[in-house]
Amino acid sequence: QQQVKQSPQSLIVQKGGISIINCAYENTAFDYFPWYQQFPGKGPALLIAIRPDVSEKKEGRFTISFNKSAKQFSLHIMDSQPGDSATYFCAASIQIFNKFYFGSGTKLNVKP
Amino acid sequence: NAGVTQTPKFRVLKTGQSMTLLCAQDMNHEYMYWYRQDPGMGLRLIHYSVGEGTTAKGEVPDGYNVSRLKKQNFLLGLESAAPSQTSVYFCASSSPPENYGYTFGSGTRLTVV
Repeated sequence: QQQVKQSPQSLIVQKGGISIINCAYENTAFDYFPWYQQFPGKGPALLIAIRPDVSEKKEGRFTISFNKSAKQFSLHIMDSQPGDSATYFCAASIQIFNKFYFGSGTKLNVKP
Repeated sequence: NAGVTQTPKFRVLKTGQSMTLLCAQDMNHEYMYWYRQDPGMGLRLIHYSVGEGTTAKGEVPDGYNVSRLKKQNFLLGLESAAPSQTSVYFCASSSPPENYGYTFGSGTRLTVV
């Protein structure tokens, strides 16, 4: 049983467009929600993270929106660039244990 | 500034063979983890360690063993490899509460034939 469900599986966006990836979770004990970016042949790298006491966090072109009541969170990539083409993973954890449960990943392709 | 180093990067095993994957980190992180990555499944936690000499099971521990004899090293062993263990294996480390984010290695691609 997957703890974190991620959609879509793949996404094609034109350069300059907005990429949106969604995740949902069930365990209300989760209190840390990071997003990871992975390029082919590399390990995932932390992109941005949020805690449930805020509804939105923005870092540059990347924004996490968090809806605690719906148990959903999403990643928005504004002004998407070809260099953003990668696989994105959402994750959730209970900080005291710091074990991450990952979504299944979204392969983003930004077309020039 | 190596971060997390995994060896080997690639390996082909025959069914029933054994092997050990090595993970080394130079960031003095307390926590270390082994994940496997399979298409459409994301990353699934195999085993983890919250400090030298400690290990614990994750989501998919069967067929694997681990050891953390030194703080900087975390070993993942396959006692009798099976084709179902064909995967990309990632090691990660973290240092809560200063930093909850994971630093990942570059992965080991293992094929069991």
